[in-house]
Amino acid sequence: AAGVIQSPRHLIKEKRETATLKCYPIPRHDTVYWYQQGPGQDPQFLISFYEKMQSDKGSIPDRFSAQQFSDYHSELNMSSLELGDSALYFCASSSPSLAGVYYEQYFGPGTRLTVT
Amino acid sequence: QKEVEQNSGPLSVPEGAIASLNCTYSDRGSQSFFWYRQYSGKSPELIMSIYSNGDKEDGRFTAQLNKASQYVSLLIRDSQPSDSATYLCAVILRGTGGTSYGKLTFGQGTILTVHP
Repeated sequence: AAGVIQSPRHLIKEKRETATLKCYPIPRHDTVYWYQQGPGQDPQFLISFYEKMQSDKGSIPDRFSAQQFSDYHSELNMSSLELGDSALYFCASSSPSLAGVYYEQYFGPGTRLTVT
Repeated sequence: QKEVEQNSGPLSVPEGAIASLNCTYSDRGSQSFFWYRQYSGKSPELIMSIYSNGDKEDGRFTAQLNKASQYVSLLIRDSQPSDSATYLCAVILRGTGGTSYGKLTFGQGTILTVHP
């Protein structure tokens, strides 16, 4: 079965540089979520999109922005990178909710971002 | 206090034993509950989802949900060394004003080691 695709898998950037992470959801999934996981921590929600519109926003720095495109893939843009941005970034996708019940989220392999 | 809390680990069990993982959550109105397994440096892998009170079994895994007591648990029968991983409890909390957009809130994870 098709899974969530993320690219690149590894990214090394210097401080103050910009990074773009891409996510391709499972076919027919219209909702995309982005999570950040620091070393030894649980994943933290950043932002989500439903039908190409931002649906929710978590603890995402103003330096970060994201969008979902017409083909449902999503991109997370990170500018003015800081050392503390080094983390694993996961994208997850899910099928539409029903009657307020949200269903399973499937995670991509992640992008490991290292800021030096 | 975290909104989703897991029993403190790490947890070590012998091969063939039952591993029991517990999780409590703060929002009584939550409706969607998940268990993920995460190997070091990899992405969370969905093991079980549960939405109604009671037990749900899938192979060696059984999830139990008690909404009145606000806890969800995961039992792993016939534990294998390959089950050694961090287990993450994730809940879709109802959110401010009763609105939820599906973001997952994770517990801090329980590290499980199954020794031969």
